Amino acid sequence: DAGVTQSPTHLIKTRGQHVTLRCSPISGHKSVSWYQQVLGQGPQFIFQYYEKEERGRGNFPDRFSARQFPNYSSELNVNALLLGDSALYLCASSLRLAGFSGELFFGEGSRLTVL
Amino acid sequence: QQQVKQSPQSLIVQKGGISIINCAYENTAFDYFPWYQQFPGKGPALLIAIRPDVSEKKEGRFTISFNKSAKQFSLHIMDSQPGDSATYFCAASGAAGSYQLTFGKGTKLSVIP
Repeated sequence: DAGVTQSPTHLIKTRGQHVTLRCSPISGHKSVSWYQQVLGQGPQFIFQYYEKEERGRGNFPDRFSARQFPNYSSELNVNALLLGDSALYLCASSLRLAGFSGELFFGEGSRLTVL
Repeated sequence: QQQVKQSPQSLIVQKGGISIINCAYENTAFDYFPWYQQFPGKGPALLIAIRPDVSEKKEGRFTISFNKSAKQFSLHIMDSQPGDSATYFCAASGAAGSYQLTFGKGTKLSVIP
């Protein structure tokens, strides 16, 4: 079975531009979460979507937005890029919204470099 | 404000030795404590997880020890192998409500032959 797939794997943007990152969850998973991982740091929670509704938002500015589609895939959008947005953006899917028996399955990430 | 503090930042262990990584948390609402393993160029993968109603959980060579009163938990890797060389992250969440994980900063483990 395919795991969590993300695209693109690498991209370079300049300050002020916009970026869209895409994620396809594991088949049957209804929840998608987005995390930002700056080099040398742990992942930081950005959003969680479940059944196409936003169910959690981390401490990120409004320049960050996301959505989940009817097929449960998801997009993360970042506007007005700053140098500090350079990071690995991880998508994770889970079967459920929450609970102790499930787990998050992470993709390999999209590496964004802002020049 | 860092809610999960992880130490050490890096760790070098000889093959066959025990690797120990420690974490401390502040938010008493946390009720789910997973450990993730990340290899270069890959996303984190769940290694083992524990709930605060147990003090220890063991899966193969990996053991989590949990001290609720001290708000600390640790990962022990027994018989460490070169293939265990990776970055390890502790994390915490209020799993009853969401999978919003708060991660530590990570420990880079190197197991030398």
